[in-house]
Amino acid sequence: AQTVTQSQPEMSVQEAETVTLSCTYDTSENNYYLFWYKQPPSRQMILVIRQEAYKQQNATENRFSVNFQKAAKSFSLKISDSQLGDTAMYFCAFITGNQFYFGTGTSLTVIP
Amino acid sequence: KAGVTQTPRYLIKTRGQQVTLSCSPISGHRSVSWYQQTPGQGLQFLFEYFSETQRNKGNFPGRFSGRQFSNSRSEMNVSTLELGDSALYLCASKVETGRSNEQFFGPGTRLTVL
Repeated sequence: AQTVTQSQPEMSVQEAETVTLSCTYDTSENNYYLFWYKQPPSRQMILVIRQEAYKQQNATENRFSVNFQKAAKSFSLKISDSQLGDTAMYFCAFITGNQFYFGTGTSLTVIP
Repeated sequence: KAGVTQTPRYLIKTRGQQVTLSCSPISGHRSVSWYQQTPGQGLQFLFEYFSETQRNKGNFPGRFSGRQFSNSRSEMNVSTLELGDSALYLCASKVETGRSNEQFFGPGTRLTVL
C-alpha cells in the first residue's frame, strides 16, 4: 500500500528561525516524485518544492529545502528564515504512476 | 494563463439531496483529479479523469461519481448526501507531457451538509 505519514499535526516557529517538517512514505515503486504543498488559510494550495526520486541531490527553492533519504523513505522540509507568510498547512505527497498520495498535513504557525 | 477554477465556491445542502460540483482545468491540462479534504484526514483521493475516462479511483462509495467532458472540464456528483460529506472538495489538474508531474489546485468548493 502507498502511504504518506506526517507525524506532526501542528508546529510553531519564531519568525526568522528555522523549522523542519517531517514526512515518511511507503511505496514499492522505484520511480516517483515527491512534493511539498502549502495551503495558506482560506487560500489555494500551491507547490513549494519537488524532488525526483532518482536524483540524490536534495532540492532547494530559496528558503525551502528538503532532506531526501530514499532508503529510509523520508522526505523532510526545512524552512529557513521563517516568515509570517509561511503560516499554512503543509502537505507532503508523492506520485507514482498517475495517482497522488497525500499526508494528513502539518499546520505551521510562524510567531512574530 | 488562467488557473484551475471551481464552481460554486460554497454550497449548503441537506441530507438526502444531491450536489454537482464543477471544475475547469488549466488550458492544455487533460488530467483532472478530485479530492476530499477534511480536518485530520488530509486529502482523500476521489478519482482522476483523463481524456474523458476515469483512470484512477479512490476508496469512496458509489454515491460519489464524476465525469469529464471533451474540453477537459470535469464535474463531480454526490448523491444522497450524508452529514459526513461536509468537506472542502478540491480539484487539481496536470499536464501529461514533459517531466513535470505537478498538480495545480483550484480554490475548492466548501460543501456543508445540514
